[in-house]
Amino acid sequence: NAGVTQTPKFRILKIGQSMTLQCTQDMNHNYMYWYRQDPGMGLKLIYYSVGAGITDKGEVPNGYNVSRSTTEDFPLRLELAAPSQTSVYFCASRKDSTGLGGYTFGSGTRLTVV
Amino acid sequence: AQTVTQSQPEMSVQEAETVTLSCTYDTSENNYYLFWYKQPPSRQMILVIRQEAYKQQNATENRFSVNFQKAAKSFSLKISDSQLGDTAMYFCAFMNSRDDKIIFGKGTRLHILP
Repeated sequence: NAGVTQTPKFRILKIGQSMTLQCTQDMNHNYMYWYRQDPGMGLKLIYYSVGAGITDKGEVPNGYNVSRSTTEDFPLRLELAAPSQTSVYFCASRKDSTGLGGYTFGSGTRLTVV
Repeated sequence: AQTVTQSQPEMSVQEAETVTLSCTYDTSENNYYLFWYKQPPSRQMILVIRQEAYKQQNATENRFSVNFQKAAKSFSLKISDSQLGDTAMYFCAFMNSRDDKIIFGKGTRLHILP
């Protein structure tokens, strides 16, 4: 199994550009998450989804959008990139409503906005 | 709101020594899960160990063990016989059993010295 796959691994954007960070998982997990990690900081939740067709805001949703049309995919959209969105982005998934399994993480996307 | 605090931004120990990383959390809930994640320079987030709050017995995974003090809301990680490969950022994390998302601390950067 591939687990959680994120693409791209690195990207440089110019201010005002748009892009979509892709995340897909092949474990049939219901729960999926997007976090951002700023230098020297922990992970902050951007958006999450408890199943196909259901999404909700996390701690820092401004400037981002998500969709969950299938169980496997949970893309994160940046519409108008700003330097404050320079960060490492992690997608994660979890199987069920208990916390026993923790998350499975993707390998991250390093995004720089210049 | 739940919070997770890691009071040690950075630590260094000699190889083969034992090291303890501190974590405290704040919650009014009784049922929850606690985690320690490791993030090596590769950036991958790896689950090290997890603890269910209703279990009194401290979790152990090979050289990694926790000291879970529920009344004190403390969840420290002990690494025995430390190895160079243990060099990483370590994140303490919390999840309420009624919630869908994990909250992370800011992390402790651990250096294992040869």
